[in-house]
Amino acid sequence: DAGVIQSPRHEVTEMGQEVTLRCKPISGHNSLFWYRQTMMRGLELLIYFNNNVPIDDSGMPEDRFSAKMPNASFSTLKIQPSEPRDSAVYFCASSSGPGIYGYTFGSGTRLTVV
Amino acid sequence: GEDVEQSLFLSVREGDSSVINCTYTDSSSTYLYWYKQEPGAGLQLLTYIFSNMDMKQDQRLTVLLNKKDKHLSLRIADTQTGDSAIYFCAEDSGGGADGLTFGKGTHLIIQP
Repeated sequence: DAGVIQSPRHEVTEMGQEVTLRCKPISGHNSLFWYRQTMMRGLELLIYFNNNVPIDDSGMPEDRFSAKMPNASFSTLKIQPSEPRDSAVYFCASSSGPGIYGYTFGSGTRLTVV
Repeated sequence: GEDVEQSLFLSVREGDSSVINCTYTDSSSTYLYWYKQEPGAGLQLLTYIFSNMDMKQDQRLTVLLNKKDKHLSLRIADTQTGDSAIYFCAEDSGGGADGLTFGKGTHLIIQP
């Protein structure tokens, strides 16, 4: 298995533009998580899905952020419009459930909004 | 609420043991985890411990859990330059179904 695949690895965009981050979880994993990492706040859970259904999006900072999981093998995190304070590394992680396997993280998307 | 606390930096000499400490607040956590993040990479699961265990050893890694004090530690024996990374402690709040809560990470710095 190739692990959790995120794209793009790096994204530089201008303030006000729409940004879409993509994630392909590990096949067979039924939970998917989106995290944001910044120096100031560390790792923050934005939203997670179980069996493609959003369970808790209380970590999504504003209505500018939205996430979808149309099927078991694909999820997107969209920011519209983007702002400089959205600059961070965004990680996707997937899991087959709580317990000994933990979560498997993707390599992240480094987003820079100028 | 849930909170996981870690020191931000730890500096050790190559060959010495490193001990990274963590405190957590959610007493209902079932599993506690240690993740490693190298520069420019995602988080890699290092090891975990079940909440009813006191200790777990895995090669150079030893995890100690004091459930009464809600204190978790990771000991790395014979620290090498390749161990230089950020180490995150995490708890599975709500039994894991609600996502992992991470500490801010401890930067392990290896001195030659």
